[in-house]
Amino acid sequence: AQSVSQHNHHVILSEAASLELGCNYSYGGTVNLFWYVQYPGQHLQLLLKYFSGDPLVKGIKGFEAEFIKSKFSFNLRKPSVQWSDTAEYFCAVSTDSWGKLQFGAGTQVVVTP
Amino acid sequence: DAGVTQSPTHLIKTRGQQVTLRCSPKSGHDTVSWYQQALGQGPQFIFQYYEEEERQRGNFPDRFSGHQFPNYSSELNVNALLLGDSALYLCASSLGGSSSYEQYFGPGTRLTVT
Repeated sequence: AQSVSQHNHHVILSEAASLELGCNYSYGGTVNLFWYVQYPGQHLQLLLKYFSGDPLVKGIKGFEAEFIKSKFSFNLRKPSVQWSDTAEYFCAVSTDSWGKLQFGAGTQVVVTP
Repeated sequence: DAGVTQSPTHLIKTRGQQVTLRCSPKSGHDTVSWYQQALGQGPQFIFQYYEEEERQRGNFPDRFSGHQFPNYSSELNVNALLLGDSALYLCASSLGGSSSYEQYFGPGTRLTVT
């Protein structure tokens, strides 16, 4: 069965620190990859997505992610976090043409001032 | 431009009862997907509606059913509620149900089964 694994459930870091969240998936075929974010009290919203081409994709708010096909990974990074980056982050994979998303369990990120 | 809206916001039901949740997609979107998000977990795909038909379904029992109306709004029905159905139910809309298009999520309906 396909699965999406996020390595950390909770991450606490200080402002200006760098952030990297791991995501691995188990599927041997073509995948579309996504990172979603849920800020406190807000809807899930798309941070960035990868369909094809340059494996390094840039999203909103200074986030980027790198697709490494050989490692089945799609890790999210931000060089310098802000307090406003406190949120829950979800990695998601789509393996069909209709956009059904399979999500990881999420990582709660807390940025302290 | 209204985004995805869901109603009600919160709902408390008793085990064995039935519940209906509603979703209005973002303007211009014709595809609605439903997800269940249990506490501490990521959203799990329930099913997707396109052109008023269920196009694909996740690993959920037949107690979970849905409907899409001509105006693209959608309902999720759950019969014979179990305690384990307590969760946040998310609706997402997109255009054409293609993975090429972003899915926009609503705020969710928090269902508590007692």
